[in-house]
Amino acid sequence: NAGVMQNPRHLVRRRGQEARLRCSPMKGHSHVYWYRQLPEEGLKFMVYLQKENIIDESGMPKERFSAEFPKEGPSILRIQQVVRGDSAAYFCASSPEHSGNTIYFGEGSWLTVV
Amino acid sequence: KQEVTQIPAALSVPEGENLVLNCSFTDSAIYNLQWFRQDPGKGLTSLLLIQSSQREQTSGRLNASLDKSSGRSTLYIAASQPGDSATYLCAVGPKLVFGKGTKLTVNP
Repeated sequence: NAGVMQNPRHLVRRRGQEARLRCSPMKGHSHVYWYRQLPEEGLKFMVYLQKENIIDESGMPKERFSAEFPKEGPSILRIQQVVRGDSAAYFCASSPEHSGNTIYFGEGSWLTVV
Repeated sequence: KQEVTQIPAALSVPEGENLVLNCSFTDSAIYNLQWFRQDPGKGLTSLLLIQSSQREQTSGRLNASLDKSSGRSTLYIAASQPGDSATYLCAVGPKLVFGKGTKLTVNP
């Protein structure tokens, strides 16, 4: 049973480009979470999704960031017009249901904006 | 707004020592508390999950306790080994609000 799979593991983008980060949850998991870890900072919640629904996006910046979890395929975190401050590690996690169960993290996607 | 604090920020101990990592949270209305381990450049590995109705969980050399009323949790590591060197994070659910972690170094 494969774990949470994230790709790419490392991504370099120039300022103004778009970054797309993908996350395939563990088999049987229908809940996906995205977190961001800035240098020297803790992990910050961004968004919680179930299939085809955004449940909680209270941690998402108001502009340039969006997330989806379609019926088929991985969850996508999309960052438009990236700026240097977007450079961070982005972690995806999944669980079989919300709140009560252990949550499993992927290895992360490291975004560098140059 | 839930805030999670971990003390100390860094800890260095000799191999074989028993140690305690501390985590405190401001809002006692939590669903659960989870301890994770993060190695440099890697993702997070779940170590222990304590539901809000539980007081402690144990796995091997690790024991985590939870005192909701005081907003505290501790992670006890027995007989530490160099392989335990990592950053340890606690997070309170359901949305998983994380502390900044304790960076542990176990010296051979």
